[in-house]
Amino acid sequence: DAGVIQSPRHEVTEMGQEVTLRCKPISGHNSLFWYRQTMMRGLELLIYFNNNVPIDDSGMPEDRFSAKMPNASFSTLKIQPSEPRDSAVYFCASSLGVGRGPQETQYFGPGTRLLVL
Amino acid sequence: LAKTTQPISMDSYEGQEVNITCSHNNIATNDYITWYQQFPSQGPRFIIQGYKTKVTNEVASLFIPADRKSSTLSLPRVSLSDTAVYYCLVGPFGNEKLTFGTGTRLTIIP
Repeated sequence: DAGVIQSPRHEVTEMGQEVTLRCKPISGHNSLFWYRQTMMRGLELLIYFNNNVPIDDSGMPEDRFSAKMPNASFSTLKIQPSEPRDSAVYFCASSLGVGRGPQETQYFGPGTRLLVL
Repeated sequence: LAKTTQPISMDSYEGQEVNITCSHNNIATNDYITWYQQFPSQGPRFIIQGYKTKVTNEVASLFIPADRKSSTLSLPRVSLSDTAVYYCLVGPFGNEKLTFGTGTRLTIIP
């Protein structure tokens, strides 16, 4: 399996522009997670889906952020409008999502490094 | 979720055994202990998970005392490629959410 795939790997944009990050989870995984990592705040969970349904979006910073999962093999994280403080590395992760065992292993993608000027 | 405390950073020489201890004083009965590793410019990667006593795999060992208020990740004979940030996480059975703390930045010196 190719693992979790994210695109683009790098994104540079100007303040006010719309940014869309994409993620393809591992085939057969039922849960998908979006994280943001910065030096100041570390690794933060933004939102996670189970069977394409958003379960917890309490980490989404504000209305400028939105996430969708239209099917089991694709998810997007959108920022509109973007601001310089959104600059960070955004990771997508997936897991089996059966919720019947110890903390399930999450498999992370390579991340998207976003710079908003 | 139980709060975890780890050293911010550690240095070690190549070939040595490295032990990173994590404190989780308010761990609950149904909590498991999980460690992730993050190399520079990569996403975190699962290393090992345990509930009590000792767990060993091809990468590391995890030691958990009887009171479970702490755990120690042991990396045998480290190499330069073990330079990474190591995160200790505690969460209940069936829990899907991971809460990452600041982690321990391990630097291996040649």
